[in-house]
Order: sequence, then structure tokens, then C-alpha cells
Amino acid sequence: GQSLEQPSEVTAVEGAIVQINCTYQTSGFYGLSWYQQHDGGAPTFLSYNALDGLEETGRFSSFLSRSDSYGYLLLQELQMKDSASYFCAVQGTDKLIFGTGTRLQVFP
Amino acid sequence: DSGVTQTPKHLITATGQRVTLRCSPRSGDLSVYWYQQSLDQGLQFLIQYYNGEERAKGNILERFSAQQFPDLHSELNLSSLELGDSALYFCASSVGGSESSYEQYFGPGTRLTVT
Repeated sequence: GQSLEQPSEVTAVEGAIVQINCTYQTSGFYGLSWYQQHDGGAPTFLSYNALDGLEETGRFSSFLSRSDSYGYLLLQELQMKDSASYFCAVQGTDKLIFGTGTRLQVFP
Repeated sequence: DSGVTQTPKHLITATGQRVTLRCSPRSGDLSVYWYQQSLDQGLQFLIQYYNGEERAKGNILERFSAQQFPDLHSELNLSSLELGDSALYFCASSVGGSESSYEQYFGPGTRLTVT
């Protein structure tokens, strides 16, 4: 079967750095995606890792270790608008499987 | 704005009824995906269509069906509705087939309430 695990909630203050971890178990793995979803909104694509290593996109970075079936999303210089749910998603052979999401709350 | 449109935005109906949700993908995208998101839950993949053909199936109930039309818009039909079907239903699209499924563009969703 396929399963993804990520923390249910993370809190941080403005300007801080936060890391959201994701471990997965899947048959047929092509890559790991990250999506952001604000309350009442639609998920939006943030990043994708197909190979091991770090991908940086502005304040956000994503990391993948295929041997450890593990990845993380790193958010730097946190802003209030970063308060949202973050989902990791495994790209399998025929579909994208989403984790249950991590709710990030940023405090002033 | 992702470029994906969904109608209606809200839908309230009674148990036992049937509804149809509509989705238009981004211009140029050939794949359409349907997801169900219940309160405080993750996104449950229902089904994917690519260029008019069913490509992948997730945990879609037999009471649910979907299709993608020649103009690439898609419809999700939900029948014999139950209270537990109340959820947010998202449609998403991507450029190609499964190889591009990692980057999907989501519509604003249809909030279905079954009473």
C-alpha cells in the first residue's frame, strides 16, 4: 500500500525558520511534491523533488532522500501569510497521493 | 487564479439525490483529476482522465462516476447521496498524463452539503 506521514500541526513566529517533515511508504515512486492550502482555498503547487537533494524556490526549499523515503519543506523568514496547511504528495506510477497535511500557524 | 474553473461553487441537496459537478481545465492541459476533501482531512484522489480517457482510479465509490468530454471539460456525477458525501470537491489539471501529475493546478472547489 501507500502511506505518507507528516506532523498534524506546527507553530512558529514571524521571521523564524520551520521544517515540515514527510515520510512515505509507496510502491512505485517518481518524486515528492509539496502543496500549500490556505483556509477555504485551493491547494497550490510549491515544489517538486525527483532526485535526492535540496531544491530552493525563494523563501521555500524542499529536500528529498529517496534512500530514507523522507523529505521536508523548509520555510524561511516566516510571514503571517505563510499560515496555511502544507501537504506532501507522492508521485506514484499512476497518481499523486497526498498526505493528511500539516497546519502551520505563524504568530507575530 | 489557477485557470481551472469549477461550477457550482456551493451545492446543497438532500440525501438520495444526484448532482453533477463541472470542471474546465487550464487551457492546454489534457489531464483532469478529481479529489474529495472532507473537513480537516487530506485530499482523497478519486479519478483521473487524460484526453478523454480514464487514466487512473482512486477510492471512488460506485455511486460516483466521471467523464471527460472532447472539449476536455469534465463532470463528476454523484448519485444516491449520503450525509457522508458532504465535502469539498476539487478538480485539478496538468499538462500531460501521469508523468506531469506532480504539478497540478487546482480549481476553487465545489462545496457540497448533503442534508
